[in-house]
Amino acid sequence: EGQLVESGGGLVQPGGSLRLSCAASGFTFRRHAMYWIRQGPGKGLEWVSGITWNGVVMGYADSVKGRFTISRDNAKDSVYLQMNSLRPEDTASYYCVKDLLTITVANVFDVWGRGTVVTVSS
Amino acid sequence: SYALTQPPSVSVAPGETARITCGGFNIGSDLVQWYQQKPGQAPVLVIHSDKDRPSGTPERISGSKSGNTATLSISRVEAGDEADYYCQVWDSSSDRRVFGPGTRVTVL
Repeated sequence: EGQLVESGGGLVQPGGSLRLSCAASGFTFRRHAMYWIRQGPGKGLEWVSGITWNGVVMGYADSVKGRFTISRDNAKDSVYLQMNSLRPEDTASYYCVKDLLTITVANVFDVWGRGTVVTVSS
Repeated sequence: SYALTQPPSVSVAPGETARITCGGFNIGSDLVQWYQQKPGQAPVLVIHSDKDRPSGTPERISGSKSGNTATLSISRVEAGDEADYYCQVWDSSSDRRVFGPGTRVTVL
């Protein structure tokens, strides 16, 4: 089924930057679309960004477009989220998530990491 | 914009059936997923494509859809079923991935 381990979260001031990383294992990483989904404290789930298996197509939520960039390195079985111009409302647990299907983008989130916490505060 | 509605909470006695609804104006045209999230844990996919169970989801948990409402049913409810449950769709026409606000299931 696979495992995903996020890293890179922490405390950052408004306007600052962070780069999240996600290391995958236990499945053929290069064949699956990957996503970042976040959850603010006491709040629901919000899809943040996604990238196709080959890294050609990326998508972003309106709330992060122009500030966040998703990328992947299939040779390293890793996906990343570069977060710039961070705002207090970006404070959340960020989950790395795998798509259920291979190659096809299904937007079905079948394996989740434990999450990494990002806090944006002065 | 596409929005999904869920009841904030559902309470059920052990052994009974919990039903959680998910409404949306176009949900009949989109495939629905359901995720279970226990306190302090990451979400877990329990139903995809309206009614399909991933391996690991017990048969007590089932999904259905009629018109613009999807339903997650948990039969023979156990204490371990206490969790938040989220529905989710991918609206391909607008390329938006939408989650419902979540329903907290409490076992009495």
